[in-house]
Amino acid sequence: NAGVTQTPKFRVLKTGQSMTLLCAQDMNHEYMYWYRQDPGMGLRLIHYSVGEGTTAKGEVPDGYNVSRLKKQNFLLGLESAAPSQTSVYFCASSYPQGGSGTQYFGPGTRLTVL
Amino acid sequence: RKEVEQDPGPFNVPEGATVAFNCTYSNSASQSFFWYRQDCRKEPKLLMSVYSSGNEDGRFTAQLNRASQYISLLIRDSKLSDSATYLCVVKGPNNAGNMLTFGGGTRLMVKP
Repeated sequence: NAGVTQTPKFRVLKTGQSMTLLCAQDMNHEYMYWYRQDPGMGLRLIHYSVGEGTTAKGEVPDGYNVSRLKKQNFLLGLESAAPSQTSVYFCASSYPQGGSGTQYFGPGTRLTVL
Repeated sequence: RKEVEQDPGPFNVPEGATVAFNCTYSNSASQSFFWYRQDCRKEPKLLMSVYSSGNEDGRFTAQLNRASQYISLLIRDSKLSDSATYLCVVKGPNNAGNMLTFGGGTRLMVKP
């Protein structure tokens, strides 16, 4: 099993450009998440999904959109990139069990917006 | 105030030392608690859950004090391979999405 994979691994954008980050998991997990990680800020939840066709906002959703058309994929879109969106983006997935704290993370995408 | 607060460190310790990290959380209704480990430029991975009675996993011991809203991680006999950032993680109540709140992390550097 590949676990959670993310595409691309690195990207440099100019302000105003758009892009889509792809997350894929092969563990048949119901829940998927997008986080960003900035120095000193820890991981912050952008959007999440509790199942195919459903999405919800997290702590820092502004400037991002998501889609979950297939259970195994969770896409994060930046419509008009801004320098403040320079960050490392992590996707994660988990089972819906109530007590579980295990989220499985992808390797991350390092995004720079100039 | 951040929901989960940690001393960012770094903690620089020699091999074989015992080191302890602390974490405080603000939501008294939080249900579950965890420590994750994140190696440099890698993704976070679950290290261990934290139970009210305290729990051990080899050289690692986790403690929870609900009254003080305080979580700790003790590492005994530190190894070079323990060098990483340790993330304190809390799961809140009524959490339909199984969402976690992460602290900023405490960096540990174990020196030969």
